[in-house]
Amino acid sequence: KAGVTQTPRYLIKTRGQQVTLSCSPISGHRSVSWYQQTPGQGLQFLFEYFSETQRNKGNFPGRFSGRQFSNSRSEMNVSTLELGDSALYLCASSADSTSSYEQYFGPGTRLTVT
Amino acid sequence: AQSVTQLGSHVSVSEGALVLLRCNYSSSVPPYLFWYVQYPNQGLQLLLKYTSAATLVKGINGFEAEFKKSETSFHLTKPSAHMSDAAEYFCAVRRGGYNKLIFGAGTRLAVHP
Repeated sequence: KAGVTQTPRYLIKTRGQQVTLSCSPISGHRSVSWYQQTPGQGLQFLFEYFSETQRNKGNFPGRFSGRQFSNSRSEMNVSTLELGDSALYLCASSADSTSSYEQYFGPGTRLTVT
Repeated sequence: AQSVTQLGSHVSVSEGALVLLRCNYSSSVPPYLFWYVQYPNQGLQLLLKYTSAATLVKGINGFEAEFKKSETSFHLTKPSAHMSDAAEYFCAVRRGGYNKLIFGAGTRLAVHP
């Protein structure tokens, strides 16, 4: 099976712009979660989507949003970018959100805001 | 609230030496615990997970971890370090029923000849 894929891998944006990141989960997985990784704050949970519904949300401002499509692919959007949004954004897929299903991570999208 | 503490942001060992990376968790209910490894410019790779089936969990690449409820610990060990083990390691706890992982700050492992 192919792993989790994320596009693009690298992105440079300017403050005030918006950005959309894409994640394709492992085939058959219905849960997609997003995480932000920065040197200062570490790995932080953004949100989780399961069957096109947001099930969980972390403590991020409303500028961060996401959605999931019927094929389980997910996108996250960040509007009005700030310098502090520079980070590695990781998505993870899981077969389900119940029981002990593990999450498999993609390679990440490195976002740089200038 | 659940949290994870990894003791030691940097650990350095000699090739062939024991690797011990420490992780303590706080949780009001039996947790699901995970260890992930991250190589430079890559995502996270699952090493092993604890889901209450057995207290000693074996993972990939020769790593294992022991769940000790009395100590609220889930330390990661490997008997003999290899140069390729140099990476950053993250311990994480998952709230039951939800796919939200809470990560520790990470431990960067260096392996020297």
